[in-house]
Amino acid sequence: EVQLLESGGGLGQPGGSLRLSCAASGFTFSTDAMSWVRQAPGKGLEWVSAISGSGGGISYADSVKGRFTISRDNSKNTLYLQMNSLRAEDTAVYYCAKDLGVTNNWYFDLWGRGTLVTVSS
Amino acid sequence: SSELTQDPAVSVALGQTVRITCQGDSLRNFYAGWYQQKPGQAPVLVLYGKNNRPSGIPDRFSGSSSGNTASLTITGAQAEDEADYYCNCRDSSANVVFGGGTKLTVL
Repeated sequence: EVQLLESGGGLGQPGGSLRLSCAASGFTFSTDAMSWVRQAPGKGLEWVSAISGSGGGISYADSVKGRFTISRDNSKNTLYLQMNSLRAEDTAVYYCAKDLGVTNNWYFDLWGRGTLVTVSS
Repeated sequence: SSELTQDPAVSVALGQTVRITCQGDSLRNFYAGWYQQKPGQAPVLVLYGKNNRPSGIPDRFSGSSSGNTASLTITGAQAEDEADYYCNCRDSSANVVFGGGTKLTVL
């Protein structure tokens, strides 16, 4: 079955760290760019970060640049998001999403169920 | 970075046609993607590119684009189409931007 399964969410302290994981199955993970997209409670979708299939190309939203690090282990079919210096405004459901692969644009054709990150003291 | 603007809410009578729009400078150069999100669920891609539907998406969903505006049209809206709809596109930095979302109510 083609799926993405996030884990690692939970309660984080302001200024603290959390590491999210996303296990992929049912497709050739190493050939597809991946992203993290988050959704604060009752709010819209916000793209967080993206990484190319090889891991050589990485980009971040300004809101997380310098605090979050995206990575992937293609041997384990797993995507990661290391979240440091957490802020209350990072509270959200975090989705991992697979890029469809259309040249020169970003469309996400497979999403995980999401993992909730709550930043609070 | 660029922004994409959507109407917060739109309603349509059952069986009628509704258009949901998305505006932004990036749309002058790149086609939008459209996502449907129902409460408590992950988003689902329903349209991408010029007018492409992923496998399994009903053909009542269609898309168009003109200038800085992309549109998602649902022809013959069904009760199960009630959801939040988001557009997305790449921006000038090759990053991703999402619209604020449109809540569609089917009356």
